[in-house]
Amino acid sequence: EVQLVESGGGLVQPGGSLRLSCAASGFPFENYWMHWVRQAPGKGLMWVSRINTDGSNTGYADSVRGRFTISRDNAKNTLYLQMNSLRAEDTAVYYCVREWWASSAFDYWGQGTLVTVSS
Amino acid sequence: QSALTQPASVSGSPGQSITISCTGTSSDVGGYDHVSWTQQHPGKAPKLIIFNVSNRPSGVSNRFSGSKSANTASLTISGLQAEDEADYYCGSYTSFNSVIFGGGTKLTVL
Repeated sequence: EVQLVESGGGLVQPGGSLRLSCAASGFPFENYWMHWVRQAPGKGLMWVSRINTDGSNTGYADSVRGRFTISRDNAKNTLYLQMNSLRAEDTAVYYCVREWWASSAFDYWGQGTLVTVSS
Repeated sequence: QSALTQPASVSGSPGQSITISCTGTSSDVGGYDHVSWTQQHPGKAPKLIIFNVSNRPSGVSNRFSGSKSANTASLTISGLQAEDEADYYCGSYTSFNSVIFGGGTKLTVL
């Protein structure tokens, strides 16, 4: 059974940092592109970042580029999102998602971890 | 880049069919066949129901179908059931090598 389990969310002050982790199991993690998608309270989905299978190619939404860094450890089957210079508008549930074979569609989603940026 | 355009809400009675539109540009929906639809029930994680415009993942009911014409994609749900009441999001690959979602459509089953 495919499982994606996020951790690392919490309350952080504006300007602060957090590192999200996503533990993957039930599939060959090293073969799949992975992404982070977020959803602000009561709002829609927003794509945040993606990483290819070996971590050599990454991409970011304009609103997070230069502040967030996506990475992965295939030996540990874990995806990461380092978030720096956090802003109130980054407050959201962050989902770790698996991409279905170069389709830009996300076939498995974690349950999400809530990040709240507030003083 | 602006979100893809979806109606804020649609509604239908059990057994009826409804269609949700998703309008983008030639840089996203119109330029690629990487359009997806995702269903989200309140308080739950999203679930993929359509990928690559019209393909259903294993286990998704054939009452869900997708299509695309020019810059507009559509999701049709036939034989509407109470359990279909949820939020629906379209998504597309873009020429900026990113993914963009629509604003979401709330489906109410009357």
